[in-house]
Amino acid sequence: NAGVTQTPKFQVLKTGQSMTLQCAQDMNHEYMSWYRQDPGMGLRLIHYSVGAGITDQGEVPNGYNVSRSTTEDFPLRLLSAAPSQTSVYFCASTRGFANEQFFGPGTRLTVL
Amino acid sequence: EDQVTQSPEALRLQEGESSSLNCSYTVSGLRGLFWYRQDPGKGPEFLFTLYSAGEEKEKERLKATLTKKESFLHITAPKPEDSATYLCAVQRYNFNKFYFGSGTKLNVKP
Repeated sequence: NAGVTQTPKFQVLKTGQSMTLQCAQDMNHEYMSWYRQDPGMGLRLIHYSVGAGITDQGEVPNGYNVSRSTTEDFPLRLLSAAPSQTSVYFCASTRGFANEQFFGPGTRLTVL
Repeated sequence: EDQVTQSPEALRLQEGESSSLNCSYTVSGLRGLFWYRQDPGKGPEFLFTLYSAGEEKEKERLKATLTKKESFLHITAPKPEDSATYLCAVQRYNFNKFYFGSGTKLNVKP
């Protein structure tokens, strides 16, 4: 199993550009989530999904969209990038809701 | 409001010098408390889950304990390879979200 994969690993955007961060898992996990990690602030939940076709907002959802058309994939879309979205983004998946999360390797995003 | 606070922010130890990391939480109806290890440039890696006060789990030089208000990660005779950031997270019943603390950065010097 590849586990949780994320692409790209690094990305530089200009203010106002849009892009999609890709996340895929091959463990047939129902629960997937997106976090951002900023220095001194830990991991903050952006959006999460409890299954295909079902998504919900986390702590910091503004400026981001998600969809879940399949169990395996959970892309995160930045609609109009802003410098405040400069961060490291992690995708995670979980079997069920009370189990440990498996994290991807992260995407380091810089918005100029 | 659910809240997770970790202390200290950073900890420097000599190899073999045991210590503890703290994770205090306020959450109504704890479903589980999770400990993760994160190496630089990588995603967090799962260590332990604790579900009820009094529970303890061990793995090599690490032992995690849980009370009604906090959890400790005890590190016994640490080695340089234990250097990492340690994160804790909580989840409450009937709630699909995990809340993370800001982590403790551990540096073990040989």
